[in-house]
Amino acid sequence: GAVVSQHPSWVICKSGTSVKIECRSLDFQATTMFWYRQFPKQSLMLMATSNEGSKATYEQGVEKDKFLINHASLTLSTLTVTSAHPEDSSFYICSAAGPSYNEQFFGPGTRLTVL
Amino acid sequence: AQSVTQPDIHITVSEGASLELRCNYSYGATPYLFWYVQSPGQGLQLLLKYFSGDTLVQGIKGFEAEFKRSQSSFNLRKPSVHWSDAAEYFCAVGVVEYGNKLVFGAGTILRVKS
Repeated sequence: GAVVSQHPSWVICKSGTSVKIECRSLDFQATTMFWYRQFPKQSLMLMATSNEGSKATYEQGVEKDKFLINHASLTLSTLTVTSAHPEDSSFYICSAAGPSYNEQFFGPGTRLTVL
Repeated sequence: AQSVTQPDIHITVSEGASLELRCNYSYGATPYLFWYVQSPGQGLQLLLKYFSGDTLVQGIKGFEAEFKRSQSSFNLRKPSVHWSDAAEYFCAVGVVEYGNKLVFGAGTILRVKS
């Protein structure tokens, strides 16, 4: 149990376009989802926390208007990178936690490359 | 503020040798502690976790970790390393007050030589 999927697993886009990444909890209801980014050879940095039906809480230094997060249902959260630029190229990982869970379950990640 | 320190960026061990990866944390209350493993280009896999109770925790793939409150440590150990254990290992602390937000250490890259 506790499987989290992400789609797409990798995406290449042109500078200035927007990219949407989906994160789904497949076998449990995720009341809270987390979005991380990981630069090469670095650790995971939390970008934002989203609770179902509420606005996301962004970490300091993360641009809300650039990284749009929607958590409209208990099984789906989306991250939209708007007007992507090469510096947004990174590995984006989501995780999900249910109401009775005190741990997060991680998706496999999405590799974003902006040309 | 909460923080996690993994003092070893890289560790190389011979196959069959024992392994210990160090993790120290800074957190005011009793922490939730985790060890994850990540292969290149992959997501994170949970190796083990500590919430309360027995301070020696058994995980998957033959890993174990010991929580030592007095040393604020949660070191990961394996008695005999296999070549397939080569990966990056992350220690993390869960911050209960902030919805179990995870704070990660910088990671330790494990290389296994045959």
